[in-house]
Amino acid sequence: GENVEQHPSTLSVQEGDSAVIKCTYSDSASNYFPWYKQELGKRPQLIIDIRSNVGEKKDQRIAVTLNKTAKHFSLHITETQPEDSAVYFCAASGGSNYKLTFGKGTLLTVNP
Amino acid sequence: DVKVTQSSRYLVKRTGEKVFLECVQDMDHENMFWYRQDPGLGLRLIYFSYDVKMKEKGDIPEGYSVSREKKERFSLILESASTNQTSMYLCASRTGAGGDTQYFGPGTRLTVL
Repeated sequence: GENVEQHPSTLSVQEGDSAVIKCTYSDSASNYFPWYKQELGKRPQLIIDIRSNVGEKKDQRIAVTLNKTAKHFSLHITETQPEDSAVYFCAASGGSNYKLTFGKGTLLTVNP
Repeated sequence: DVKVTQSSRYLVKRTGEKVFLECVQDMDHENMFWYRQDPGLGLRLIYFSYDVKMKEKGDIPEGYSVSREKKERFSLILESASTNQTSMYLCASRTGAGGDTQYFGPGTRLTVL
């Protein structure tokens, strides 16, 4: 089955800096890669996703890049703000198209 | 606006009890999922259902079963709760196959004593 590795497990940045979280996946048939943000005590919510026919996608301060050859994808947050502090999860959807396999999460702390 | 609700936010049960966790979605979604979330382990899939009365095992199904008698409701059952099932349980739903967004419920924090 699919295996998703996520790094780093914790990341601390100063407000205004950029943050990058990286994930690798094992199943070359995976074609959908979402990123979820989970604030403390709240449910995970989708912040951005990318499909395998696209190399990069941006939404304001958030961007995701995908390298299918290397089987890795990354989340980039620019001009970080304290409200970006949360746990971020990457995920990959394998050939079954029904299930997501999640990474173990990255705790991002943005210091004012 | 998609709404996924779970029957309880907090639940305390004793070892050996039968436990029911219920999830309801109001968007006519075909697919529903149960995950457990543990610190440092991320979200792990227990079971999922791609349609009414259909179910498939996820990555950690041992000790759990599920029921989906109606499209909007997906129940997770712990036949005989054990302390290692103390965890946060998250339900999610999705419109259908093809990599669409999964919408999560608020979670149930289950403690088994």
